[in-house]
Amino acid sequence: EPEVTQTPSHQVTQMGQEVILRCVPISNHLYFYWYRQILGQKVEFLVSFYNNEISEKSEIFDDQFSVERPDGSNFTLKIRSTKLEDSAMYFCASSEQGTGAFMNTEAFFGQGTRLTVV
Amino acid sequence: RKEVEQDPGPFNVPEGATVAFNCTYSNSASQSFFWYRQDCRKEPKLLMSVYSSGNEDGRFTAQLNRASQYISLLIRDSKLSDSATYLCVVNEEYGNKLVFGAGTILRVKS
Repeated sequence: EPEVTQTPSHQVTQMGQEVILRCVPISNHLYFYWYRQILGQKVEFLVSFYNNEISEKSEIFDDQFSVERPDGSNFTLKIRSTKLEDSAMYFCASSEQGTGAFMNTEAFFGQGTRLTVV
Repeated sequence: RKEVEQDPGPFNVPEGATVAFNCTYSNSASQSFFWYRQDCRKEPKLLMSVYSSGNEDGRFTAQLNRASQYISLLIRDSKLSDSATYLCVVNEEYGNKLVFGAGTILRVKS
């Protein structure tokens, strides 16, 4: 069964450092997303990406965050200068169509990258 | 008001029990509705989509009441493996953004 893969599974970084989280979405999917989940809290939307550009972003996704699809398979999330409060599980997801495009379009989630900022 | 609200639980039930979870959402223009399951420190996985007419998948039944902005999930004949957090998820009318509830914890005990 096709799946979304994320690397690394766990990243520890010092405050102020840049991190890049990597994702390989399902190959025939057109929409890509990043969500995050702070420990003990709900899953929160960060950004959606389609046709090589951001289609929607949340208030969390400020200037410290950026996304990129550097080649035909990878989708990355960069945090420029990490803060302690960026510590969370970051989930990449993909879907064939946008989750709002058709009724009940499923988004498939990767296993997540646990980011710890110290 | 929270966009998607769920009873956090935990619901502690014996094997074989029937358990029901409820969820309310604030945006009446929401279009798509889902129940996801999340095991501890794992990714959310789709359990089932929720349709206006209600739908069933084996031991799981989901219902949607658009007038009351209310979604439910019924699990019959609970198994130990059903122990997880159940996430009520909504996609609003515009945009491609899933809004998650905080989840309801289910613990099934032998």
